[in-house]
Amino acid sequence: DIQMTQSPSSLSASVGDRVTITCRASQAISNSLAWYQQKPGKAPNLLLYTASRLEGGVPSRFSGSGSGTDYTLTIDSLQPEDFATYYCQQYSTTPLTFGQGTRLEIK
Amino acid sequence: EVQLLESGGGLVQPGGSLRLSCAGSGFTFSNYDMIWVRQAPGKGLEWVSLIRTRDGSAIYADSVKGRFTGSRDNSKNTLWLQMDSLRAEDTALYYCAKTGNNGWYFDYWGQGSLVSVSS
Repeated sequence: DIQMTQSPSSLSASVGDRVTITCRASQAISNSLAWYQQKPGKAPNLLLYTASRLEGGVPSRFSGSGSGTDYTLTIDSLQPEDFATYYCQQYSTTPLTFGQGTRLEIK
Repeated sequence: EVQLLESGGGLVQPGGSLRLSCAGSGFTFSNYDMIWVRQAPGKGLEWVSLIRTRDGSAIYADSVKGRFTGSRDNSKNTLWLQMDSLRAEDTALYYCAKTGNNGWYFDYWGQGSLVSVSS
C-alpha cells in the first residue's frame, strides 16, 4: 500500500499569508494526486487533481506542484474561508489512500 | 447540477448489518466509477470501496474486505454498500462520491450517511 504523509499536521496562519502543505508518498505516484478541503460538518471539496490541475470554480490562489513522491499545496493570500482541513489523496493504485490531514487555523 | 444523496445509515449492534444507498443525478451515472469513503468521528478520510461502472466489479479496503459488498444499478442511477458483520470501528460518516474524468479522484460528494455500531 502507498502511505501518504502530510506535513504539518496543523498550521496557524493569518489572513493574507501564503502557506504550503506537503504530501509525501511512500513510492512514486506519477502525479496521480488530488487535494481536498474539508470544513466542519461538510463533505470534502476537490481543489486540485493530477497534482496541479485546478478544479473548476476553485480560486486561483490555490496551486499544486510536485513530482515523484513529493507534492505541495500552496495557498496564496489566505482568505477567511480557507481555514479548514486539507487532505491529499493518491490515485496511482489501489488501495486509494489519503494523507492524515492538515488543519489550517487562524493565528 | 450533480447531486449524490446517501441514505440507510443508523444505529446497529455489533455483528449486525446495514445497507447504504446513494442516488445520483445531474450526470451520466453509467459513465463513472463510484466510490465509498468513510470518516470516523474526529478522524481523517478512509477509502472503503470502488465500484466500477464497466462491469459492476468492486475493490475494497482490507479493513472491510469480506464484510462489505458494493454494487450499483446504472439503470437506477444508484449505488449501494451492503455492510455485514459490523464492528465498533466501522462507526463513521459514510460518503459516496463520483470519480473524475481523469482518474480515481473524487469531484462530487454526497452529504454523508452516519453509521453507528454500538451495543
